[in-house]
Amino acid sequence: GAGVSQSPSNKVTEKGKDVELRCDPISGHTALYWYRQRLGQGLEFLIYFQGNSAPDKSGLPSDRFSAERTGESVSTLTIQRTQQEDSAVYLCASSLDVVKKLFFGSGTQLSVL
Amino acid sequence: AQSVAQPEDQVNVAEGNPLTVKCTYSVSGNPYLFWYVQYPNRGLQFLLKYITGDNLVKGSYGFEAEFNKSQTSFHLKKPSALVSDSALYFCAVRDFYSGGGADGLTFGKGTHLIIQP
Repeated sequence: GAGVSQSPSNKVTEKGKDVELRCDPISGHTALYWYRQRLGQGLEFLIYFQGNSAPDKSGLPSDRFSAERTGESVSTLTIQRTQQEDSAVYLCASSLDVVKKLFFGSGTQLSVL
Repeated sequence: AQSVAQPEDQVNVAEGNPLTVKCTYSVSGNPYLFWYVQYPNRGLQFLLKYITGDNLVKGSYGFEAEFNKSQTSFHLKKPSALVSDSALYFCAVRDFYSGGGADGLTFGKGTHLIIQP
């Protein structure tokens, strides 16, 4: 596709439910990032995939959060037993490599009631 | 560990005046530095980057940034501000020496730039 695609664009869920967020990076981009942006806040790094290297999971806030990426394609971010503090916009970005600019998706607005 | 600081939550500038958005960083080795902009109701967009070479980097929409190694800074500048420049600006850094494995790009908390007509 022309850009980074994220789905769903909006997700409303109940506290305690699991959610899965999807990111389709730009074809050929080896680097893929997940960030979280709470209302009025900056970008919080979550996880980074680079080719076949072990992902950098240092930003995941708890063991309820996990992410997978198959090869250099789609990535899914899973949040288990969602909490109200998980409410935020979850942004995915991809790039050709670590020194190239990031292309961001439009994000998934997650609301936990 | 790498980190980046944007000391100002908000910067107010009159249209036509020069603007500066401050950014300082901390890395173990040499930095890769980036500026991104988030316009209202739009996604994040790349403005410019410093990897190596000339300390003054020119980017999109007339913006530029100067890498200052001694002050560990990468301030964003524009000679003459436009109302349309009003947005949220993020500075980001990655350590050139990742020490093996993957290393994420660390963003600052962002600075709201408000250009007043």
